[in-house]
Amino acid sequence: AQSVTQLGSHVSVSEGALVLLRCNYSSSVPPYLFWYVQYPNQGLQLLLKYTSAATLVKGINGFEAEFKKSETSFHLTKPSAHMSDAAEYFCAVSPSGSARQLTFGSGTQLTVLP
Amino acid sequence: EPEVTQTPSHQVTQMGQEVILRCVPISNHLYFYWYRQILGQKVEFLVSFYNNEISEKSEIFDDQFSVERPDGSNFTLKIRSTKLEDSAMYFCASSSPDAEELFFGEGSRLTVL
Repeated sequence: AQSVTQLGSHVSVSEGALVLLRCNYSSSVPPYLFWYVQYPNQGLQLLLKYTSAATLVKGINGFEAEFKKSETSFHLTKPSAHMSDAAEYFCAVSPSGSARQLTFGSGTQLTVLP
Repeated sequence: EPEVTQTPSHQVTQMGQEVILRCVPISNHLYFYWYRQILGQKVEFLVSFYNNEISEKSEIFDDQFSVERPDGSNFTLKIRSTKLEDSAMYFCASSSPDAEELFFGEGSRLTVL
């Protein structure tokens, strides 16, 4: 079975500071990994995905994530936080080459302080 | 930009009642999904649907649940006899056949009293 663990249910950063949201995965097969964002009163939106190509993946809104097999991690980063980044972020894993059956982490609520 | 739409946004029902949650997937998508998130818990996969039949389902998706594509645009989730523990946010999603990305709706919040 595959799973992801998100460390920190709540993260607060100051505007302009580095954003680091942690995700570790467990998988018996090469995983496909995803980060989704949920803004208040909206659906889940794909930020980026890792599908065994480049280990550093760039997504929308200046976010990127690096797949590190040795650490079984797929942490999400952004160099400089913006107020509009405040949202809930979900890491997810899929056993196949598609997003068809995602297993989500428990989510990290990001607060950006002025 | 095309989007997945869900209705209702919030439904309150009495335990034992039937509930139908509706979704309009993106028009050229062929795969449809339901996920749910119980308050404070993870988003969980319920079911995927393709070519008018269920392609995958989780152990959560028991006989109380059913899905249907009654016409060319809607995709529905029916809960036959709701229980308190069915209270959750239900997300519909759709994708193209390669399923490289799932497009989610805004969710339907179900409250069972």
